[in-house]
Amino acid sequence: AQSVTQPDIHITVSEGASLELRCNYSYGATPYLFWYVQSPGQGLQLLLKYFSGDTLVQGIKGFEAEFKRSQSSFNLRKPSVHWSDAAEYFCAVGSYSGGGADGLTFGKGTHLIIQP
Amino acid sequence: DTGVSQDPRHKITKRGQNVTFRCDPISEHNRLYWYRQTLGQGPEFLTYFQNEAQLEKSRLLSDRFSAERPKGSFSTLEIQRTEQGDSAMYLCASSYRDRRGEQYFGPGTRLTVT
Repeated sequence: AQSVTQPDIHITVSEGASLELRCNYSYGATPYLFWYVQSPGQGLQLLLKYFSGDTLVQGIKGFEAEFKRSQSSFNLRKPSVHWSDAAEYFCAVGSYSGGGADGLTFGKGTHLIIQP
Repeated sequence: DTGVSQDPRHKITKRGQNVTFRCDPISEHNRLYWYRQTLGQGPEFLTYFQNEAQLEKSRLLSDRFSAERPKGSFSTLEIQRTEQGDSAMYLCASSYRDRRGEQYFGPGTRLTVT
């Protein structure tokens, strides 16, 4: 069975500082990996995804993530955070069967707090 | 592309009542998914459809939960005989067959069972 672990429940970062959110997954084959962001009262928004190829993927809002198969990790990074980045971040793993994507397995999320 | 929409956005019901939620996916998407999200947790996958066929329903939480997508467009999720433990956010998502798992989520329906 697939699973996702986000070790950090809360992270506090100063505005302008760099950010790294950790994600570890368990999956038997090549995973499809995603990062979503959820702001209060908002739906989940896809930040970036990894399917294959280049292990460093770029997403929206200046985020990037690196897939490391040897460490079963897919950590999210941003060089300089903005106050508007404060939100809940979810890592997810999925699979693809004929005709489309299967249901995703999400981690429990990391709550990002930005200090002025 | 008007996005995934869900109705209602909020539902308050008394324990024992039945509730039904609706999801309208992005129009060209063939797959539709239902998730449940409780406070402090990530979304939990419940079921999904490809067009009108329900491909996975073993993850539905109990036999009180059922979902339909009768014409391959909108979908409904019904919870019968609601319990206080059903209080949660119910999320719908959709994806296009060739987009390799890019699921687009709606705003959710928040259910409160009193």
